[in-house]
Amino acid sequence: NAGVTQTPKFQVLKTGQSMTLQCAQDMNHEYMSWYRQDPGMGLRLIHYSVGAGITDQGEVPNGYNVSRSTTEDFPLRLLSAAPSQTSVYFCASSYSRLAGVNGELFFGEGSRLTVL
Amino acid sequence: DAKTTQPTSMDCAEGRAANLPCNHSTISGNEYVYWYRQIHSQGPQYIIHGLKNNETNEMASLIITEDRKSSTLILPHATLRDTAVYYCIVATSGTYKYIFGTGTRLKVLA
Repeated sequence: NAGVTQTPKFQVLKTGQSMTLQCAQDMNHEYMSWYRQDPGMGLRLIHYSVGAGITDQGEVPNGYNVSRSTTEDFPLRLLSAAPSQTSVYFCASSYSRLAGVNGELFFGEGSRLTVL
Repeated sequence: DAKTTQPTSMDCAEGRAANLPCNHSTISGNEYVYWYRQIHSQGPQYIIHGLKNNETNEMASLIITEDRKSSTLILPHATLRDTAVYYCIVATSGTYKYIFGTGTRLKVLA
């Protein structure tokens, strides 16, 4: 049981390049989300999904796109990377849509992105 | 969504109880209190959650005040491995937005 798997773990981009951070979970979780964490800061919600075909914006969605075509995968796309997107990105999933009922989040190990 | 306020940092002696407070004075009736911790730069780890009643599991205890405006996470016998950033969040059933603040940096001292 792999849990939440993020790839790549490290990535260096040049300004203007595009890339996709991959997130996959094998726990049949309905809810998936992406967070970013800047140095010394807490986690900020980028986008989330409550099921295949359903996504919504979090606190800081600008510059990022997501889609959810399957239950297992929730990729995060940077269309034109900027230095301000240098951060550590965490993917998280939860079995239930309902807070309080199997609603605890399971996190991946993070993807460290540097934009030059 | 209710916001939370936590102290920036705390120290605790090894073997003693660590009591981490969280203020959520605007919490509404259907919002749960969740606690997570983040060790070094790893992904956060779920600890415990509750709605109204106090809760206990193998990791910690959660004490929620009767008016639900604040809560305390208790690590009964802190070890050096409990050194981490602890996040208190409130989650509303049905809104799916789990908003993390900056958390409390707990340092367990030998």
